Amino acid sequence: AQSVTQLDSQVPVFEEAPVELRCNYSSSVSVYLFWYVQYPNQGLQLLLKYLSGSTLVKGINGFEAEFNKSQTSFHLRKPSVHISDTAEYFCAVASGGTSYGKLTFGQGTILTVHP
Amino acid sequence: AAGVIQSPRHLIKEKRETATLKCYPIPRHDTVYWYQQGPGQDPQFLISFYEKMQSDKGSIPDRFSAQQFSDYHSELNMSSLELGDSALYFCASAEARTEAFFGQGTRLTVV
Repeated sequence: AQSVTQLDSQVPVFEEAPVELRCNYSSSVSVYLFWYVQYPNQGLQLLLKYLSGSTLVKGINGFEAEFNKSQTSFHLRKPSVHISDTAEYFCAVASGGTSYGKLTFGQGTILTVHP
Repeated sequence: AAGVIQSPRHLIKEKRETATLKCYPIPRHDTVYWYQQGPGQDPQFLISFYEKMQSDKGSIPDRFSAQQFSDYHSELNMSSLELGDSALYFCASAEARTEAFFGQGTRLTVV
């Protein structure tokens, strides 16, 4: 069984400040990890993914995440946030299959960027 | 680039009615996934299809059924609707060993 825990339900931050959204996972099989962003009343957009290889992955909109196997974490970071980054962010882990679409999501973190 | 298309975007139904949600995956994607996202909740996996065959099943109520057609589009049929079925329903598609791409969702409101 797999599970994902997002440690913060809400993260307020000022514009141009750095931000970290925390995610811990548990999985008994190979780990495939994702961060998705959801704007109000919109679908889920992939920010970045870890399938294998380098543990530091870079995504869209200046986001990056680091896969840490020993700490079972996949925290999302951005060095300087913008107002437009205000959204809900979901960490997810994929289970087996031919592709990586069967996802277990965390509870989500609402990032609010204040001017 | 083509994206996953869902229709309708919004749907209002009364209790005990039936609803059909449609999903058109990205061309050449062979796998379709359905998710349900309740208010303030994270998305929950319902069911998936690979090459038109059901490949996996999650927490999908018996009142719901789904299929994938020869043109790879998929439909989620929901009968005897209950107030608790009000949610955002997402479809996602993927091809082999790639991540899933999500549609914009269908917001179902049961009144």
